[in-house]
Amino acid sequence: GQQLNQSPQSMFIQEGEDVSMNCTSSSIFNTWLWYKQDPGEGPVLLIALYKAGELTSNGRLTAQFGITRKDSFLNISASIPSDVGIYFCAGRDSGAGSYQLTFGKGTKLSVIP
Amino acid sequence: DTEVTQTPKHLVMGMTNKKSLKCEQHMGHRAMYWYKQKAKKPPELMFVYSYEKLSINESVPSRFSPECPNSSLLNLHLHALQPEDSALYLCASSQEDRGSETQYFGPGTRLLVL
Repeated sequence: GQQLNQSPQSMFIQEGEDVSMNCTSSSIFNTWLWYKQDPGEGPVLLIALYKAGELTSNGRLTAQFGITRKDSFLNISASIPSDVGIYFCAGRDSGAGSYQLTFGKGTKLSVIP
Repeated sequence: DTEVTQTPKHLVMGMTNKKSLKCEQHMGHRAMYWYKQKAKKPPELMFVYSYEKLSINESVPSRFSPECPNSSLLNLHLHALQPEDSALYLCASSQEDRGSETQYFGPGTRLLVL
């Protein structure tokens, strides 16, 4: 099936640094979602994007829906230890059914205090 | 309130056991989902219920049997599972209008099959 390329796969950063991760697709997406997952827990929705070019913030998080509709990025500013976790992008391919999300493979973030 | 609840939190079962996972949401969402997630992997879709009817079955083995008793509840009945079925089982729900792609996940049930 459709796959998203999410990068980087993992990153180690110093507390206080900014973080950027992105997802790209070979096909057009109608929706981009960003989730954070802590070990043993379910994914928690961070930001949802529905329109090409849309830029949305949620506290220290900012995400954008790429203008080509084939990519999205998530930025985290001034990272703190509780930002540690796995971040997944997900989206709906314009040719897919309404309920079917495609997930990236995740970016594992480690924050060094 | 965007809460999806799941019980139990953890489950250990033998290959001959029958058990059930439960999921509940009170957001008025009409689509509910079961996902399976292995360690360090993204969630994999298993089933989708829309308006209490099964709309998607991603070729899941019959030892997994979903049930949607009403619009707020979703069950996953387990029987004769294999050790490779050990995983985190996630329930999710979404609306039936614009934004229906936005799925809200529960905390998951960590299943170990011995």
